[in-house]
Amino acid sequence: AQKITQTQPGMFVQEKEAVTLDCTYDTSDQSYGLFWYKQPSSGEMIFLIYQGSYDEQNATEGRYSLNFQKARKSANLVISASQLGDSAMYFCAMRETLSYNQGGKLIFGQGTELSVKP
Amino acid sequence: DGGITQSPKYLFRKEGQNVTLSCEQNLNHDAMYWYRQDPGQGLRLIYYSQIVNDFQKGDIAEGYSVSREKKESFPLTVTSAQKNPTAFYLCASSMTVAGAFDEQYFGPGTRLTVT
Repeated sequence: AQKITQTQPGMFVQEKEAVTLDCTYDTSDQSYGLFWYKQPSSGEMIFLIYQGSYDEQNATEGRYSLNFQKARKSANLVISASQLGDSAMYFCAMRETLSYNQGGKLIFGQGTELSVKP
Repeated sequence: DGGITQSPKYLFRKEGQNVTLSCEQNLNHDAMYWYRQDPGQGLRLIYYSQIVNDFQKGDIAEGYSVSREKKESFPLTVTSAQKNPTAFYLCASSMTVAGAFDEQYFGPGTRLTVT
């Protein structure tokens, strides 16, 4: 069964330092997408970055980069130069190329709560 | 601006009452979804819709119902049959359902409290 595992319930990082949030996944599909979302206390889910299973290069979006290690089935999020506004819950999610009737749902991990210290 | 709107942000209901949560998108997306989030947990899929007048159950559909009469709208009704309705509900949309590489865009969510 498809599964996303985030082993860090909470993380602390000093402002301006980099932090890595871990994510491992399990799938038998060859074609899948990996996503990271940020959820601040307001509740909305903000899309951060995406990595396709066939992408050879790690995805980057501004201060966010995704350390994709396909053989290890890991997709860690790296946030460089942390800011106070980065304090939030972070969710890793996966989506497979399923058949039309299986919904293409996102499968979410349990999340990591990141706290940035001034 | 294109996006997804959900209303209301906070909703309070008495046990035994049905309640409908609104979700509207102007992104011209075919696919729409409803997720439920409980404290300290990730999201779980309730229902999804691939096109107008079509919808399918997700992982936790019991006690919920939906309709998709218009492409832009996908309301969710939480019925009295839902045993633990208090939760945060998020609506999302994407270009298609089946594509693994389609990003899902989320609305701001509705926090439902049933007492």
